[in-house]
Amino acid sequence: ETGVTQSPTHLIKTRGQQVTLRCSSQSGHNTVSWYQQALGQGPQFIFQYYREEENGRGNFPPRFSGLQFPNYSSELNVNALELDDSALYLCASSLRGQETQYFGPGTRLLVL
Amino acid sequence: ELKVEQNPLFLSMQEGKNYTIYCNYSTTSDRLYWYRQDPGKSLESLFVLLSNGAVKQEGRLMASLDTKARLSTLHITAAVHDLSATYFCAVDDGTGNQFYFGTGTSLTVIP
Repeated sequence: ETGVTQSPTHLIKTRGQQVTLRCSSQSGHNTVSWYQQALGQGPQFIFQYYREEENGRGNFPPRFSGLQFPNYSSELNVNALELDDSALYLCASSLRGQETQYFGPGTRLLVL
Repeated sequence: ELKVEQNPLFLSMQEGKNYTIYCNYSTTSDRLYWYRQDPGKSLESLFVLLSNGAVKQEGRLMASLDTKARLSTLHITAAVHDLSATYFCAVDDGTGNQFYFGTGTSLTVIP
């Protein structure tokens, strides 16, 4: 059974650029959630996807967008990067109806 | 605004001692999650508590949930160094479509 994987592991961008982060769900999982974790803080919920549709969204602006594909993998896109977007981005997969989320290793984004 | 508050934020304890981490939340959700995060690593699910009075134990950790008080506790028994990590509690919005994490408790177990 393959766990949750994310790519890339690290990324450096400059302010105003766009970035795409990728997540492969654990086998059999149909729900994926994305989180932003700033240094020394708890994870902040960005959004959740289920059956390729956004299913819930946290307090993040529209420049944070996502996709879920038929194989349940997912992308997080962030446009017009700001310095405060520097953080660890985590995705978590789960099976709808089962509460346990399994987190990937994260992508560490630095915006200069 | 939904809030999830943990205390203490930092905890330094000696090996062999017991201690409790507290998690207060403002949502009416009955579902409470505990996670562990090692430095530079991702989150590992520890417990999922789904109803009032739920208690779960794994090794030296025991979690409980009081939905009436909107309080969960994570009790550490006879701490060992391997338990040093940051512990987060989280709640959902009742539908499982949104999640809210606490600020975390950084635990250091010293010999």
